[in-house]
Amino acid sequence: SQTIHQWPATLVQPVGSPLSLECTVEGTSNPNLYWYRQAAGRGLQLLFYSVGIGQISSEVPQNLSASRPQDRQFILSSKKLLLSDSGFYLCAWSGAAYMNTEAFFGQGTRLTVV
Amino acid sequence: TQLLEQSPQFLSIQEGENLTVYCNSSSVFSSLQWYRQEPGEGPVLLVTVVTGGEVKKLKRLTFQFGDARKDSSLHITAAQPGDTGLYLCAEPDSWGKLQFGAGTQVVVTP
Repeated sequence: SQTIHQWPATLVQPVGSPLSLECTVEGTSNPNLYWYRQAAGRGLQLLFYSVGIGQISSEVPQNLSASRPQDRQFILSSKKLLLSDSGFYLCAWSGAAYMNTEAFFGQGTRLTVV
Repeated sequence: TQLLEQSPQFLSIQEGENLTVYCNSSSVFSSLQWYRQEPGEGPVLLVTVVTGGEVKKLKRLTFQFGDARKDSSLHITAAQPGDTGLYLCAEPDSWGKLQFGAGTQVVVTP
């Protein structure tokens, strides 16, 4: 069966520090991978998506970047965190791109920038 | 980008009561998904509706897709505390990217 792992679960970082969040998927190959951010109790906003190794599309301009060094690994990074980067970050995967495919989410990372 | 509007934002009810939450758009949905998210976890898919007028049932949950595919509702019968969570509607595109509504926070108290 397929599983998705995301870590760490919580993170407190000072303003100006770097960030690296990692997500890995097991039990499937060539998944579509996504990074979403969620404000408290609200909907999710898509940040990045990837359809293959080294292929990254950014949905919103921001202080963050993403990379996909391996088929089932997706990394969210920042060189210098801002207070506004605080939030709940969720990694997700889906099967081959076609309409109505289900997205499977990780447990999320609660990031607090202080 | 299509805007998905969910209402109400917050709903608090007693165990055993019924509730309905809504998801609307000014544009036609290609299809619509409903997710439930519990605190500190990722959303989990409940259902996908595709055809206008479609009704799907999942135990005590009934999902309807409007005839014109511009609106959808989720009705819970005899709510239980385990139904507590954030209910999100989302429209997928052909790349699997999801456009989410802001969600309805449902609290069911014993």
